[in-house]
Amino acid sequence: GAVVSQHPSWVICKSGTSVKIECRSLDFQATTMFWYRQFPKQSLMLMATSNEGSKATYEQGVEKDKFLINHASLTLSTLTVTSAHPEDSSFYICSARDLTGYEQYFGPGTRLTVT
Amino acid sequence: GQNIDQPTEMTATEGAIVQINCTYQTSGFNGLFWYQQHAGEAPTFLSYNVLDGLEEKGRFSSFLSRSKGYSYLLLKELQMKDSASYLCAVKDSNYQLIWGAGTKLIIKP
Repeated sequence: GAVVSQHPSWVICKSGTSVKIECRSLDFQATTMFWYRQFPKQSLMLMATSNEGSKATYEQGVEKDKFLINHASLTLSTLTVTSAHPEDSSFYICSARDLTGYEQYFGPGTRLTVT
Repeated sequence: GQNIDQPTEMTATEGAIVQINCTYQTSGFNGLFWYQQHAGEAPTFLSYNVLDGLEEKGRFSSFLSRSKGYSYLLLKELQMKDSASYLCAVKDSNYQLIWGAGTKLIIKP
């Protein structure tokens, strides 16, 4: 089946620093990738939709200057959390939709802790 | 607005059957998904329904009624490893996934 990887799986950073999270589709091409955030005991919250070669579409309330998304190729999207603060600590999950547009495949998630 | 409702939490006994309901009101409909999510992990795909009726896959089955805006996930022969959150999601007219809040299923021996 289709595999999506994320790197790193967990990261601890200091307040004020930036963190980059990579999302890769390993065995298929993904024209669209999605970035989600999930706080403990809550459901997934879509942050942005990323289309290869174009600007990401951010959901209402998500700061595009703080959460920089780059979808440079059909297999790679990156999320950079800039000037991270403790309230940005969360579980960040990416998913990728294949060319059929039928299903989203999820990465394993990245747990970010900002101290 | 768009809305997906599912129970917050359910409890069932190992070996039994449980049905998790999901009702939805969305702008358009292009399919309904069920995902399983264990604590601290990403969701994993369970089922996809786009036509009315029952889809069976091993111990798991999913039912859809588009006219009623209703789906359920049926889990048979429950095992302890089935303890997880079950997320209902609907693909709307823009092919975006609208997520329910999830149902936490607790399995007791």
